[in-house]
Amino acid sequence: SQQGEEDPQALSIQEGENATMNCSYKTSINNLQWYRQNSGRGLVHLILIRSNEREKHSGRLRVTLDTSKKSSSLLITASRAADTASYFCATDRGNNRLAFGKGNQVVVIP
Amino acid sequence: EAGVAQSPRYKIIEKRQSVAFWCNPISGHATLYWYQQILGQGPKLLIQFQNNGVVDDSQLPKDRFSAERLKGVDSTLKIQPAKLEDSAVYLCASSLVPGLAGEQYFGPGTRLTVT
Repeated sequence: SQQGEEDPQALSIQEGENATMNCSYKTSINNLQWYRQNSGRGLVHLILIRSNEREKHSGRLRVTLDTSKKSSSLLITASRAADTASYFCATDRGNNRLAFGKGNQVVVIP
Repeated sequence: EAGVAQSPRYKIIEKRQSVAFWCNPISGHATLYWYQQILGQGPKLLIQFQNNGVVDDSQLPKDRFSAERLKGVDSTLKIQPAKLEDSAVYLCASSLVPGLAGEQYFGPGTRLTVT
């Protein structure tokens, strides 16, 4: 079944550095979404990029989508300790049905 | 705006027992989802409701799992009988407009441990 898969799965960086995560998927999608999960706030939506978009920004987040390679990347710039979390990509198979990847664990060291 | 509410937050049961989870979505959200998240994995969609109708339950183990959404608002997810492999966090989510791509709002989840 269609599913996003993130790479790498664990990342440890210093505060202020940038963090990049990648996601690949197998079939065509309507859109791709990134979510963050930490113990404090649960699973929270970060950004949505549609299949006809190539890049999208939201604050310190930058998402790219390459439908020819069936891949996406999430860049977090100037990371903060509060960015420590697991990050999931999720592909929309249509009708807003999401298939989540296994997630990236990001640890930002103060 | 109140978020998605779930209860209980934690539940421990023995295998072969039954358990039920409750979800109250954000007011006005037509679509409701139940996900299962096993430790170390991403959430897996179990069932999607639009109002009180089922849109997708293809990944719901129907021999032991059931879900309903009466009156198109609250929803319950039941497991009967539970197995050890059902140990997971059960997440409820809702979204505003049926069929329109958009973010899903997640509740805090119910952590189920089956012993």
